[in-house]
Parts: sequence; structure tokens; C-alpha cells
Amino acid sequence: EVKVVESGGGLVQPGGSLRLSCAASGLSVNRHYMSWVRQAPGKGLDWVSLINIYGQKGYADSVKGRFTISRDDSENTVYLQMNSLRVEDTAMYYCVSSSGGDPRERHLQHWGQGTLVTVSS
Amino acid sequence: EVVLTQSPATLSLSPGERATLSCRASQSVSSTYLAWYQQRPGQAPRLLIYGASIRATGIPDRFSASGSGTDFSLTISRLEPEDFAVYYCQHLGDLPPWAFGQGTKVEVK
Repeated sequence: EVKVVESGGGLVQPGGSLRLSCAASGLSVNRHYMSWVRQAPGKGLDWVSLINIYGQKGYADSVKGRFTISRDDSENTVYLQMNSLRVEDTAMYYCVSSSGGDPRERHLQHWGQGTLVTVSS
Repeated sequence: EVVLTQSPATLSLSPGERATLSCRASQSVSSTYLAWYQQRPGQAPRLLIYGASIRATGIPDRFSASGSGTDFSLTISRLEPEDFAVYYCQHLGDLPPWAFGQGTKVEVK
């Protein structure tokens, strides 16, 4: 059974930092596209970042230069380092794996339950 | 950057009725990379459709989808109580961002 489990959310002040973790089981994070998707309270889905099987990374414009995605293959874990946090970054952050590593398998297959990030003074 | 526009924003229907949701892309996209997701209240989203028309594992056959180029649609043939939810389309192209549409809420009339 495939599982992705997020952790690391919490309350942080504007300008602060947090690191989210996404531990995967039942799949290898270096053989799938791994993404972070967020959802502000009462709002729609907002794609944040991805890392592919080659280690190439992509970011939404709203987080570029502030957030960094990475992975630790030995721990089978993906991270999202979030710096210079803003009130508008407040959201539930979901870690999601693709169906596979092929481009045709990019669709977001396995979703975690999310970790809540609140940015507030 | 591809922008996806979903319509309508809200669809008010009764159980047993047919629902048709639209997703329009700002430029022509490959149907290979068009996906649909369902999000029930209080739950994480789940994959419904990928490749524009392929049902994901475990998705009932009352869900169907089609489309190409800039126009895509999701149809629920007969609404069951558990189908009242928000539906999102997404294009996962070669270049990020992989933006979602703004969602269509299917609510009980």
C-alpha cells in the first residue's frame, strides 16, 4: 500500500521559516514525480512545487525564490523548505506522488492527509 | 503558462441527475496531461481521471470524461450522494506550473 505522510506544519510568524517533510512508503520518491499542493482555508487547490525523477525542480511563481523542494533518497522523504513566509502562505499543504516516473504518469495519484501551516503574528 | 477555466462555478442538482462539468484551457494542451480530481468536504483530493478520459483505479463507471485541444469535460451520469463535492481539472505539462482550474462545486439542489 502506498502512503505519503506529511509533517512539520505549525504556527509561524510572518518572515519566518518552516520545513515540511513528506515520508513515503510503498513507493520510491526518486522514481516518481513528487509535488506539494496547498489549499488555503475555503479556497481551491494551488500547486506549489515538484521534483522529478532526475531531481529537476519546478515552482509556482508565488513561491519561487522563497521555497525549496528537495528529497533524501535514503530516507525516502521529500522536503519543502519555506522561507520568508507570508500571511498568504497559510494553507493545508499536501504532499502528492505521481502514478509513476514516466511523463505520461505525472498525474497526482497518491495524496497525503496534509499538514497545516499558519502564518500569523 | 496554461490557465484552466472551469464552469460553472457551482452546479446545483438532485441525486440521480446528470452532471456535466467543463474545463477550458487558455491554449491547446495535450490530452495526455489533463487530469480531474474530486475533493469531498474535509478530505484530501483524489484522482478521478487522467489522460483526459482514463478512469483511475477504483473510480466507478458513472464518471466519464473527454475532450481535446482546449475543451475538456467531466460527466457524472447519475449523481450519487457521495458525488456532491468539488471537482478540479489540472494540466501537467512539460513545463511547470501545473496549475489547477478554480474548481466546480456540485451541490445538492
